[in-house]
Order: sequence, then structure tokens, then C-alpha cells
Amino acid sequence: KAGVTQTPRYLIKTRGQQVTLSCSPISGHRSVSWYQQTPGQGLQFLFEYFSETQRNKGNFPGRFSGRQFSNSRSEMNVSTLELGDSALYLCASSPGAGRETQYFGPGTRLLVL
Amino acid sequence: DQQVKQNSPSLSVQEGRISILNCDYTNSMFDYFLWYKKYPAEGPTFLISISSIKDKNEDGRFTVFLNKSAKHLSLHIVPSQPGDSAVYFCAASAYAGGTSYGKLTFGQGTILTVHP
Repeated sequence: KAGVTQTPRYLIKTRGQQVTLSCSPISGHRSVSWYQQTPGQGLQFLFEYFSETQRNKGNFPGRFSGRQFSNSRSEMNVSTLELGDSALYLCASSPGAGRETQYFGPGTRLLVL
Repeated sequence: DQQVKQNSPSLSVQEGRISILNCDYTNSMFDYFLWYKKYPAEGPTFLISISSIKDKNEDGRFTVFLNKSAKHLSLHIVPSQPGDSAVYFCAASAYAGGTSYGKLTFGQGTILTVHP
């Protein structure tokens, strides 16, 4: 089975711009979770989508949003970028129920200038 | 409020010896625990997991131990190999209504270096 894929792998934006990141889960997985990794805060949960619905949300401002399509692919959007949004953004997929293991993609490295 | 803690930022071990990575948690609702290995600028790779109904789980060179009363888990790697050098994260989830709703809570990570 192909793993989780994320595009783009690297991105450079300027403050105030917006960005959209894409994630394709493992085939058959219906849950997609997004995480932000920074040196200061570590790996933090952003939100999770299951069957096109956001089921859970972490403690991030409303500038961070996402969506999921009927094929389980997911996108996350960050509007009005700030310097502090520079991070590695990771998505992970799992079947969506029970005690599950999440499998991570390679991440998108976002640099905000 | 750091609910999952890895108190050792780094660990150095000789090839062939045992590596022991530790993790403590505070949230008694956590009932599923995972260990991931991560290289810089890559996504975490799943290593091994354990449910709270067990106290030990083995997979090849990797063994995870869970002490629920102490809210402590550890990952043992035997024998350690230079290729094991990476950052190791423990993660925890809490299940309510049959799902964790996709949320893992991670520790800050431990950098493992295995010397030849």
C-alpha cells in the first residue's frame, strides 16, 4: 500500500499571505489528522477529519482551517500567515475507529518570511 | 500543561547495548500509547504500541513496557544499532465512545545516538 503523501514538501510565503497544504491518506483510511511541529512547542495536534467532518480540534486560532473530500484527501489552510507559523506540518491517517495507529506523511516545511 | 513528558532530551549508547527511553504521562484517561522514530525534516515512523490492558508488548528488537500505576512507559531497544540513531517520540491517546477522534498527544522527544 502506498503511504501518506503530502504536497508540497517545501513552501516559502510572506507574512499576510495564505497557504493551502494537501494530504492524501493511505488507501482505505478515513481519518486524517494534522499536526504542527516547531522547535519550541514540539508536535501539536491541529485537527482531525473523518468522513468529510471535523471531529476534533486542537488549540489553534481560527486562521487554521481544513477540509476533507469524499475520497478522504484533506487540505489545511492557514490564512494571514505570521512568522510564528513557520513549521513542519504533518498529516497522519488511520482507519478512523478503535485503538488505532496513525501513519504519518513526510510533512510540508513552511517558511514564513 | 504537558501531559506527556520525556525528561531525557538525549541518550547516548554503544552499538550492541540496550537503549532505554522513558516517558511519563499525567492524564489518567490515556489508554493507548505509541512510540515513533523521527529523522529531521521527515514524518514520524511508527515503531510499536501498547494498550492499557497490557503491560508489555514486543516486536523484534523493540519492547514497550507500561506501568499504569506509575503512569510511566519505556521503550527498550536490544541490541542497539547505529541506524537506530534518531529522535524518539512517545505519544498517547484517550478513547471515548470507541475512538480517539484522531488526537495524539506527544512528548518532546529524546535524541538517541548509537555509537559504533
